[in-house]
Formats: sequence, C-alpha cells, structure tokens
Amino acid sequence: NAGVTQTPKFQVLKTGQSMTLQCAQDMNHNSMYWYRQDPGMGLRLIYYSASEGTTDKGEVPNGYNVSRLNKREFSLRLESAAPSQTSVYFCASSEMHSTDTQYFGPGTRLTVL
Amino acid sequence: DAKTTQPNSMESNEEEPVHLPCNHSTISGTDYIHWYRQLPSQGPEYVIHGLTSNVNNRMASLAIAEDRKSSTLILHRATLRDAAVYYCILRDIAGNNRKLIWGLGTSLAVNP
Repeated sequence: NAGVTQTPKFQVLKTGQSMTLQCAQDMNHNSMYWYRQDPGMGLRLIYYSASEGTTDKGEVPNGYNVSRLNKREFSLRLESAAPSQTSVYFCASSEMHSTDTQYFGPGTRLTVL
Repeated sequence: DAKTTQPNSMESNEEEPVHLPCNHSTISGTDYIHWYRQLPSQGPEYVIHGLTSNVNNRMASLAIAEDRKSSTLILHRATLRDAAVYYCILRDIAGNNRKLIWGLGTSLAVNP
C-alpha cells in the first residue's frame, strides 16, 4: 500500500495564478483532510471531508476550495494564489471511528512569489 | 476545544529513555489523548493514543495521570531517528468534530 500520496512535491507560483493540489489514499478511509504548516508552526486545518460527498471548512478556509472526487481522492484548489499561501500543505486520511487516527502524506511545498 | 501545553524543546542521549510531558488540565471525560511526531521534512505520523489507562506499542508507551490532567510519552531507548517534533493532541470522541487542534509540540534532539 502506498498510503497517502500527494502531487506535486514542490511548486512555485506567481501571485494570481491558480493550481490544484492532488491527494489520494488507498486505505479505503472515509475521512480526508487538508492542512497547511507555516515555518515553526503546528498544522492548521483548511478543509476536511468526513465522508464521500461531504466537505466542511476548517480553521483557515479562505482562499481555498476543495473537491472530494471519490472515496480515494481529495483535491485542494487555489483560485488566485497569494504570497500568504506560501506554506507546506499536508493531506491526511482516517477511518471514521471515535479514535480517528490520521495518516499523512509527504506534503507539497508551495511558494507564491 | 481543550488545549495542551508542552515544553518547546528537550534533549536526550542516544539509547537513554526519554520522557516527554504534556499538560491538559481542561481535558474532558470524552477526550482521547493522541501523540503524533513529525520527522524533519516529513508529514506527521501517529505514535500512540489512550483514554485512561497506560498504553504500550512498538514505538512508545503512554503514561496517563490518574486525574488525566497530564500525560507522558515514553521512548524507552532513544535513537537518532527519534529526533522529531512531538505533538500531544486531544480528540473528543463524543462529538462529530473531526478536527485535531495542533500546538507547537516539543522538538526533541537526540545526541549520539
């Protein structure tokens, strides 16, 4: 099993450009998440999807949109990138039960100039 | 959401035990205590979790105080590969909120 995979690993954008970060999991998990991590900080939740067909806002959703394409895939879109969105983005998945252990991908390092 | 407090950094020597403390004085009866760690330039990985009793797995042990207001992650023999940021997080099993609130964690350095 590959676990949680993310593409791309690195990306540089100019202010105003758009892009989509891709995430896929092969563990048949119901729930998926997008986090961002700024230097020296903990993770902050952007959006999550408790199950296929549902999405909900996290702590910092402004400037982002998400799509739960199917049970395996959960994408994050930046419609008009801003320098404040320079960060490392992590996707995670979990089975929907009470203890809810999350499994993380390797991250996408995004720089917006 | 209940909060946790951890030291910013700790240091250990290789092959010695490490005790990483976490205070969670506002913990509720339905909060699980989760520990994750993040190795340099990697995504976080699950370490262990518990509710009331002490827990052991192949990676670590979790000791939970009787009043549940604090817990300690124990690495029995630190290796260089254990150098990471360790996060202590509370997860409410009673609600539908699937969010984990991440603090700054404890940065563990392991000396050879």
